[in-house]
Amino acid sequence: GAVVSQHPSWVICKSGTSVKIECRSLDFQATTMFWYRQFPKQSLMLMATSNEGSKATYEQGVEKDKFLINHASLTLSTLTVTSAHPEDSSFYICSAKDWGLDYTDTQYFGPGTRLTVL
Amino acid sequence: DAKTTQPTSMDCAEGRAANLPCNHSTISGNEYVYWYRQIHSQGPQYIIHGLKNNETNEMASLIITEDRKSSTLILPHATLRDTAVYYCIVRNGSSNTGKLIFGQGTTLQVKP
Repeated sequence: GAVVSQHPSWVICKSGTSVKIECRSLDFQATTMFWYRQFPKQSLMLMATSNEGSKATYEQGVEKDKFLINHASLTLSTLTVTSAHPEDSSFYICSAKDWGLDYTDTQYFGPGTRLTVL
Repeated sequence: DAKTTQPTSMDCAEGRAANLPCNHSTISGNEYVYWYRQIHSQGPQYIIHGLKNNETNEMASLIITEDRKSSTLILPHATLRDTAVYYCIVRNGSSNTGKLIFGQGTTLQVKP
């Protein structure tokens, strides 16, 4: 149980294009999903919190117009990197919180998406 | 949420127990201790969490000191596949935000 998938697992795109990454909770409903970014040899950095049916909450320093987040259903959240540039190249990871498993907020993570912008 | 302090790296011999310490001296009464690990180029994997009692599951044991200011994650029989970065995170279990803030973690190298 508590499986989170991401698609695609890796993507290469040209500078200036937009890329959409999907995050799905496969066997549970996730009212809240999170998006993280990880640069090489660094820890995960939280980008935003995504709540189903409402606008995402972005962490300080994260451009909301560049990283568009949509959480339209209880099992799907998407992150769109708009007008991507080489500095956006990173490992993007989502997580989902399953309130149904217990009353604490254990999060389950997707396998990550490696974005390379040329 | 309380900050945590972990050693940067540790080595462990295959088949032996790996004991990973975490200091969280500013932890408050309603904060849980969570452990996650991240194997290279993968998403983090949930391991275990606890409030004040020791916890055990199929992956590991979590020992929390009586004053709750530190804890130890124990992998009873480490294998090469346990080589990963281990993150100790303390957070409020009743918080509505649900955010996990990752520190630098401990890089555990299991050696043959």
